[in-house]
This record gives sequence, structure tokens and C-alpha cells, in this order.
Amino acid sequence: ETGVTQTPRHLVMGMTNKKSLKCEQHLGHNAMYWYKQSAKKPLELMFVYSLEERVENNSVPSRFSPECPNSSHLFLHLHTLQPEDSALYLCASSHTGDGADTQYFGPGTRLTVL
Amino acid sequence: KQEVTQIPAALSVPEGENLVLNCSFTDSAIYNLQWFRQDPGKGLTSLLLIQSSQREQTSGRLNASLDKSSGRSTLYIAASQPGDSATYLCAVVAYGNKLVFGAGTILRVKS
Repeated sequence: ETGVTQTPRHLVMGMTNKKSLKCEQHLGHNAMYWYKQSAKKPLELMFVYSLEERVENNSVPSRFSPECPNSSHLFLHLHTLQPEDSALYLCASSHTGDGADTQYFGPGTRLTVL
Repeated sequence: KQEVTQIPAALSVPEGENLVLNCSFTDSAIYNLQWFRQDPGKGLTSLLLIQSSQREQTSGRLNASLDKSSGRSTLYIAASQPGDSATYLCAVVAYGNKLVFGAGTILRVKS
């Protein structure tokens, strides 16, 4: 496989559930990102990891917990979510984490919180 | 705080027409500006990246310009095709900082 992949593509969960989103990049990049895209709102950056260290946490509630075990994998652990957290969650990667390079995006996970 | 605005919010044109999408940003201290395309329910595809020292970039039928001092960029699409129908997103990067996105322009090209 090439590019950036995300699983699952669709997820429906209750407010008391715990689930995880997975992202994998096959581009040899050193930086990975989580974005949230809500209906009728601009894409919002959630987290940035560069060389497996978190370098940006954009005031995201603690019910979202990222994990980056290596430069190719990124997880977003979800617990006790709210219905307003329903959105498309996009993962991206780039060669560096300084904003200078093109970011390559995965297809996203469509999350619905009931 | 950097804010990015895209006009129009939606655009519908007949096939073959040339068109311009507009993007404006409030802080001119940017590192680069990028245009993306997003198809319904899918991720983003990078179209063009313009460094702050550049005025424009071209790829096929697409041409993006950047006027950093006035805080504006335009994406020009020549001879539009139905396959160009998508949402077009503009995003700017401040030095050593994150991408800030506009809300996008929804483009529909009618055959």
C-alpha cells in the first residue's frame, strides 16, 4: 500500500464507549497530524507529531488522546465523547513538521457519536 | 490570530468555462500557501504549494497566484471539466507553525 491510510473508514459509537482511530503512512515522512472536519466549519488541527514527539496540541479536550508509537503510525484514542464530536477525522503526514512541506492526507474516518 | 476566508462559498459553472477562486488571509507573515481539493466524504489532495517568496505556481490547467502583501491568493482553473467538481480549500502556514484552513469553495461544473 502507498500513501496515507486510515481505519476504520466509518465508526459509530455511544458516549460511554472507548474506541481508537488508526493512521498509517507509507511515505517515509517524519511528521504526522490529526485534523477534525466538522460540518460547515474549516478544518481544525488537533495534534502534530514530529519524530514521534508531540509538538502541537491545539487545545483539544482530554477525551481525545493521541499516540505515536513510531514515525509510520498514529492513533487517536477516544473515550467519553459527546455528540458534537461527530465529524470527519483526517490524518496527514509530511516530510518535516515545520509547515514547509506539502501534507498528504488520508481518506478520513467518519465518526458518529450517539 | 490568522484567519483565512474563501470566496465564493459555492460556484456552479458550465463545462469549458475558466474560473477563479479567491482566498484571503489576515496575517501576511506566512511561510507558504497551499491549495487542496477534497472530494465528498474523502481526504484532501494537495494541488499547489506556493512558497512566500514565489508569486505563482502552475500545474496543468491550474494556476495559483500569491500576493503576500495584500493577503490574497487566487486559484485559476482553465477550461473547467465535470471532473473538477469538488471542494477547494486554501490553507496558509505561518513560519514554523501550523496550517490554517479556509472553509472552502464548493465547485460544481455542469456538463
